[in-house]
Amino acid sequence: ETGVTQSPTHLIKTRGQQVTLRCSSQSGHNTVSWYQQALGQGPQFIFQYYREEENGRGNFPPRFSGLQFPNYSSELNVNALELDDSALYLCASSLTVHSYEQYFGPGTRLTVT
Amino acid sequence: DQQVKQNSPSLSVQEGRISILNCDYTNSMFDYFLWYKKYPAEGPTFLISISSIKDKNEDGRFTVFLNKSAKHLSLHIVPSQPGDSAVYFCAASARLQGGSEKLVFGKGTKLTVNP
Repeated sequence: ETGVTQSPTHLIKTRGQQVTLRCSSQSGHNTVSWYQQALGQGPQFIFQYYREEENGRGNFPPRFSGLQFPNYSSELNVNALELDDSALYLCASSLTVHSYEQYFGPGTRLTVT
Repeated sequence: DQQVKQNSPSLSVQEGRISILNCDYTNSMFDYFLWYKKYPAEGPTFLISISSIKDKNEDGRFTVFLNKSAKHLSLHIVPSQPGDSAVYFCAASARLQGGSEKLVFGKGTKLTVNP
């Protein structure tokens, strides 16, 4: 059984650019959530996907968007990058949409200059 | 508005002693609580959880206590080991409109266990 994987590990982008981060869910998990962790903070919920549709969203602007694919892999897209978008982006999968426990990947460290 | 608070940014204990990590929450609608451990350059790892209908859950060296009236939970690690040194996050599960769950995290407590 493979765990949650994310790519790339690190990424450096310039303000105004667009970025795509990728996540592969744990085998058999059909729900994926994305979180942003700024330095010194706990992870903050961005949104959740279930059956390829957005299933809930936190306080993030529309320039944060996502996709979930039939094989349960997913993407986080961020447009018009801002300096404050610099953070660790974590993907978490859960067995079902009603599961409490979420299992996290190692994250992608995004730096916006 | 910080709904889940971990007021101690750091904690240092001696190997073999008890580590107690504390967490407070403000939203009485939270019905499930989790602790995650995070090492540098890794994602958070699920450690232990507790439902709001219970007041204690134990798993080996780890025990979580929940005091609903005080909106307080704590994680006890006995005995503490140097490998337990990590950042510990308290999280509460909040119901989304579609019936699924999102996690609301505290800022974390960095535990250092000294040999």
